Amino acid sequence: KAGVTQTPRYLIKTRGQQVTLSCSPISGHRSVSWYQQTPGQGLQFLFEYFSETQRNKGNFPGRFSGRQFSNSRSEMNVSTLELGDSALYLCASSLGRVDTDTQYFGPGTRLTVL
Amino acid sequence: KNQVEQSPQSLIILEGKNCTLQCNYTVSPFSNLRWYKQDTGRGPVSLTIMTFSENTKSNGRYTATLDADTKQSSLHITASQLSDSASYICVVRGNTGGFKTIFGAGTRLFVKA
Repeated sequence: KAGVTQTPRYLIKTRGQQVTLSCSPISGHRSVSWYQQTPGQGLQFLFEYFSETQRNKGNFPGRFSGRQFSNSRSEMNVSTLELGDSALYLCASSLGRVDTDTQYFGPGTRLTVL
Repeated sequence: KNQVEQSPQSLIILEGKNCTLQCNYTVSPFSNLRWYKQDTGRGPVSLTIMTFSENTKSNGRYTATLDADTKQSSLHITASQLSDSASYICVVRGNTGGFKTIFGAGTRLFVKA
């Protein structure tokens, strides 16, 4: 079975631009979560989706948004990029409930904001 | 404030030795606690998941323990291997007006030959 895939793997943007990151979960998985990882803040939770519905949201500004499609693929969007948004963005999928099922992480998208 | 604290921050051990990593949390109410292994430049890999009622969970050479009363968890690695060199992250999920996922800062483990 193919693992979680994220595209693109690397991205360079400038301040003020917007970016869309994509995540394809493991086949059959219905739950997708997004995380931000930086050297200073470590891993932080962004969003959690299950069957196209956002179930939970972390403490990030409204510039960060996401969605999940009927095929469970998910996208996250960051508008009006700031230098501090430079990070590794990780996506994870699980079969069903995030609070009990094993989460499988993708390799991440490395975003650099100049 | 919901927090997850890990210790030590980093650790160097010789190949073949055992080690124990600590995780203390204040997240309440508690839903579950997970340990992940993250190699440099890669996504985390799940090692164990424990709910409130579980005290111990093993995954090969990795054994996690949980004391929900004292809000402490540990990850014990037996007979370490060079490939165990990685960051180990403790993650606690709580239910405070919606499920929240709180990450520890991780313990960086170096296994030397």
